[in-house]
Amino acid sequence: AQSVTQPDIHITVSEGASLELRCNYSYGATPYLFWYVQSPGQGLQLLLKYFSGDTLVQGIKGFEAEFKRSQSSFNLRKPSVHWSDAAEYFCAVGYQGAQKLVFGQGTRLTINP
Amino acid sequence: SAVISQKPSRDICQRGTSLTIQCQVDSQVTMMFWYRQQPGQSLTLIATANQGSEATYESGFVIDKFPISRPNLTFSTLTVSNMSPEDSSIYLCSVGEGVGETQYFGPGTRLLVL
Repeated sequence: AQSVTQPDIHITVSEGASLELRCNYSYGATPYLFWYVQSPGQGLQLLLKYFSGDTLVQGIKGFEAEFKRSQSSFNLRKPSVHWSDAAEYFCAVGYQGAQKLVFGQGTRLTINP
Repeated sequence: SAVISQKPSRDICQRGTSLTIQCQVDSQVTMMFWYRQQPGQSLTLIATANQGSEATYESGFVIDKFPISRPNLTFSTLTVSNMSPEDSSIYLCSVGEGVGETQYFGPGTRLLVL
C-alpha cells in the first residue's frame, strides 16, 4: 500500500537559517508528489508539485524540493526561513494521477526569532 | 487555481445531531474530494464526489454516516450524521484541476461535538 513518512514531527529553526523537511514515500510506480502548508486555522496551500522531468522543482514562497528516486524521497528546502514560515507542512503522494492523495503525518515548523 | 469556500467555517454541535457542510467552487470542476483531519493528525480521504454519480467512499467511511451530494459542477455537501465527540475534526473539501488533477483545498470547517 502507498505510504508517506515524514520522520520529523516537530522542527525548530532560527529565523534566517536554512531548512530541510524530509519526506519518504512507498509507491510502486512513478509518483505524483506534493508539498502543502497549513498555517494555524487555515486550509492547505499547495507549495509545489512533481510529476515528471526536472527533479528539482521550485515552488511558492522561496521553497524548492528535490525528487530522488533512488532514495524514494522528496525533501523540501528553503535557504533562509522567515517567521511567517511557521506552520504545519504536509508531504503527499498521488496515485491514480492525483485523484487519490496519501498524506504524511506532517511536520510542525517553529521559527525562533 | 480555483477559489473554494466552505460553510460553516466552524460549529459546535450536540451529540446525536447532524451537520451539513457546504463546499462552493468559483469554476466548474469534475473532481471534488472530502477529507477529515482529526485533532493533531494528518488528512484522511473520506470520499470522492463526481457530478452525476454516487460518491466513492474510502475504507472506514460509509454513506449512512457521511452522505454526500454533488448536484452540479461547482457545489458539494458533506453531512456528518448522528455525531459523537469522535467526529470532532476539521473537514476539508478539495477540487482537482489542471495537470494531473492537482488538488486545491478549501479553508476547512472546524467541528466540535459535545
